[in-house]
Formats: sequence, structure tokens, C-alpha cells
Amino acid sequence: AQSVTQLGSHVSVSEGALVLLRCNYSSSVPPYLFWYVQYPNQGLQLLLKYTTGATLVKGINGFEAEFKKSETSFHLTKPSAHMSDAAEYFCAVTIYGNNRLAFGKGNQVVVIP
Amino acid sequence: DTGVSQDPRHKITKRGQNVTFRCDPISEHNRLYWYRQTLGQGPEFLTYFQNEAQLEKSRLLSDRFSAERPKGSFSTLEIQRTEQGDSAMYLCASSLNQGGPAGELFFGEGSRLTVL
Repeated sequence: AQSVTQLGSHVSVSEGALVLLRCNYSSSVPPYLFWYVQYPNQGLQLLLKYTTGATLVKGINGFEAEFKKSETSFHLTKPSAHMSDAAEYFCAVTIYGNNRLAFGKGNQVVVIP
Repeated sequence: DTGVSQDPRHKITKRGQNVTFRCDPISEHNRLYWYRQTLGQGPEFLTYFQNEAQLEKSRLLSDRFSAERPKGSFSTLEIQRTEQGDSAMYLCASSLNQGGPAGELFFGEGSRLTVL
């Protein structure tokens, strides 16, 4: 079964600083990887995804992530944090033909003015 | 496109009671999913439907849980004889299966269940 690991449940970042959220996956076959974001009192929404092709993927709101097979990682970054980035971020994995997403435990991001 | 809606948003019940949650997916979406999220954890897959057919169920879905999607539109998730361990946020999501990978899901805001 596939799984992802997100370390550090709470992440504090200063406004304007780099946002880096780490995600490592486990899968015996090529994975499909996702980052979802949950803003307060809203449903989860897709930030970005990697399926095949280019390993650097860009998402909404200036976020991007890079698939690194050798490191089994899919870390999420944003060059400059904004107050509106305060939310919970979940990494998720699935594989071709599998209809289940396996989510990590999430990172609660706090942006400090 | 009004998004995925769930009802009720909050439900407080006593142990042993039955509860039912409803999910209305995005109208053109043929796939519907139920996930459960407990405090400090990510969402966990419960079950999914393609149109009206329930195609997959997790081991988390005990005999006390039943989900339906009559006519391939809205879905209900019923929990019978609730236990305190059922307290969680129940998330519904929908997607349009176009042969691509599952994963681009549209989530509702969830139904929070508290079992006293």
C-alpha cells in the first residue's frame, strides 16, 4: 500500500520568507502525488499534482513541488509567504488504477507578520 | 457549479443512536467518495461510488456503516449504533472520471460528528 509522511505538524514561517513543507512517499510502483490545502472553514482543495512528465509542477497561489524519485520526495515550496497562506496542507499519494488517496497527517502553517 | 455540499455540518448524538449524513456532489461528477478525518490525522478513505455503484469499501467501514448513492446523484452515509470512536469529520468528495488518475477531488466542507 502507498503512504506519505509529513513531519512537523505545525510550521511557522515569517511573512515574505520561504515556505517549505516536506513530503516523502512510499510506493512500489510509480506514484501519483498531490498537495491539498484546507483553509479555515473550507473544504480541501487541490494545490497541485504530479502524475507523469515534468517533475517540477506548479500550482495555484505561487506554490510548486518537485518530484524526486531518488529521494522519494515531493516537497512543497513557495518563495515568499503571504498571510493568506495560513492553512493546513496535506500531501497525498495514489497509483494508477487505485481509487483511494492516502493522505499524510498534514502541516498546519502559521504565517507570522 | 455550486460545489460539493454536505448536511448537516455538525451533529451531536448520544452513543447508540443512528446518524445519517448527506452529500450532494457537483452535478456532472460521476464519482463520489467518503473520507473520515480525526483530530491530528489526514483524511482516511472509506468508500467510493461510480454513478450508483459502490465499487470499493475500506476495512474502516464496519458493518455499522452503510453508504448509498441512489440514482447516481446524492449520497448518504449512515452510522448505526454510534460509538465514541466514530467522532470525526466525515468528508465527501466528487470527481469526474475521464480515465485519468483518481486524485483530483473536490471536497465538501465536511460533517462533524460528536458522539457523547
